[in-house]
Amino acid sequence: QKEVEQNSGPLSVPEGAIASLNCTYSDRVSQSFFWYRQYSGKSPELIMSIYSNGDKEDGRFTAQLNKASQYVSLLIRDSQPSDSATYLCAVWGAGSYQLTFGKGTKLSVIP
Amino acid sequence: DAGVTQSPTHLIKTRGQQVTLRCSPKSGHDTVSWYQQALGQGPQFIFQYYEEEERQRGNFPDRFSGHQFPNYSSELNVNALLLGDSALYLCASSLQRGNEQYFGPGTRLTVT
Repeated sequence: QKEVEQNSGPLSVPEGAIASLNCTYSDRVSQSFFWYRQYSGKSPELIMSIYSNGDKEDGRFTAQLNKASQYVSLLIRDSQPSDSATYLCAVWGAGSYQLTFGKGTKLSVIP
Repeated sequence: DAGVTQSPTHLIKTRGQQVTLRCSPKSGHDTVSWYQQALGQGPQFIFQYYEEEERQRGNFPDRFSGHQFPNYSSELNVNALLLGDSALYLCASSLQRGNEQYFGPGTRLTVT
């Protein structure tokens, strides 16, 4: 069974700090990796996608992928209170049409 | 650019009843996936529709069924509702050859 693991948190960081969110996955042939942000009571919003090893930057967000270690992470620089949300890691496997999600990490940015 | 829309927003049903949820995909998208999200959990894949056919199904019983229409919109039907079916039901749309999925606002179903 394909699994995606995340630390449920909560992860608390002060405003302006770097928040680091981590995710591991069990299916070695997984091909695509996504980070979604979900505010309380709302639906998930796609914020980052990454397909190859290394770093991908988009504004204050950086996604990092290490397929050998089956590990993907999301860094949020200059964290803002508006970044307080649950961050979901999602994995797309080879020959599959579904996203497998972790349970999410709740991030709290303290002013 | 019209995003994914879902209806209704909220729904309250009684055990044993049947429910139909509706979804219109993002403009230009042709593929619709449905997910169930229980409180405190990540979304769980129910099934995906493309070209009006169920292309893949997750680990959900036959009580969960769906349909896709020629205009790419989709319905999720759940029969014989159980208390455990209470959840946020999410529709996500994508391109057939893509795997970036964009979610609608969801339908909150409460079964009493």
